[in-house]
Amino acid sequence: DGGITQSPKYLFRKEGQNVTLSCEQNLNHDAMYWYRQDPGQGLRLIYYSQIVNDFQKGDIAEGYSVSREKKESFPLTVTSAQKNPTAFYLCASSIGGVTANYGYTFGSGTRLTVV
Amino acid sequence: AQTVTQSQPEMSVQEAETVTLSCTYDTSENNYYLFWYKQPPSRQMILVIRQEAYKQQNATENRFSVNFQKAAKSFSLKISDSQLGDTAMYFCAFPYGGSQGNLIFGKGTKLSVKP
Repeated sequence: DGGITQSPKYLFRKEGQNVTLSCEQNLNHDAMYWYRQDPGQGLRLIYYSQIVNDFQKGDIAEGYSVSREKKESFPLTVTSAQKNPTAFYLCASSIGGVTANYGYTFGSGTRLTVV
Repeated sequence: AQTVTQSQPEMSVQEAETVTLSCTYDTSENNYYLFWYKQPPSRQMILVIRQEAYKQQNATENRFSVNFQKAAKSFSLKISDSQLGDTAMYFCAFPYGGSQGNLIFGKGTKLSVKP
């Protein structure tokens, strides 16, 4: 079955450490997205990529980095510059272009906790 | 600025009754889609229903329907015959920047269905 796989489900980070969240999709979707979810804040866009080898900052990109070397993969790195990284992270994909009209397909999320 | 507002942080409903979740938005675009997503305790985001702004007919998916008032920029979700499995966070979303934009989400409404 096609879908989006996020791993790991839970991740613990020590202060000053970089960590990478994995997102893989086999839907043949062009566009991929990373959102951060905090209680009472809804979903906020971190980064997005409409095509391979290209990505754009979203509303809260500071302290995060991404790459898009393959169509199927869009990993998110949470760097030590992100001062409050504890949150739930959601990866999503869509056909791209005008087809934000069809909405997004989401992964099951990664819960990141700073210890 | 384009925004999405969900004015009800929490709601509850008795099983088998009907409940309506409200959403208002602001956009200067003329043609766009609107979405309702459900996030149950598993935290998996699930597309519930979508509405094209050009269509006057309100979208319906089984027990879920919308009341779309384009002039008022209102997009409410009605859940009929509520079931315990409807307990979830519900998010309203639409693409800012027009049909090729990224989805922005409201802050969500936490719905509890009581037996």
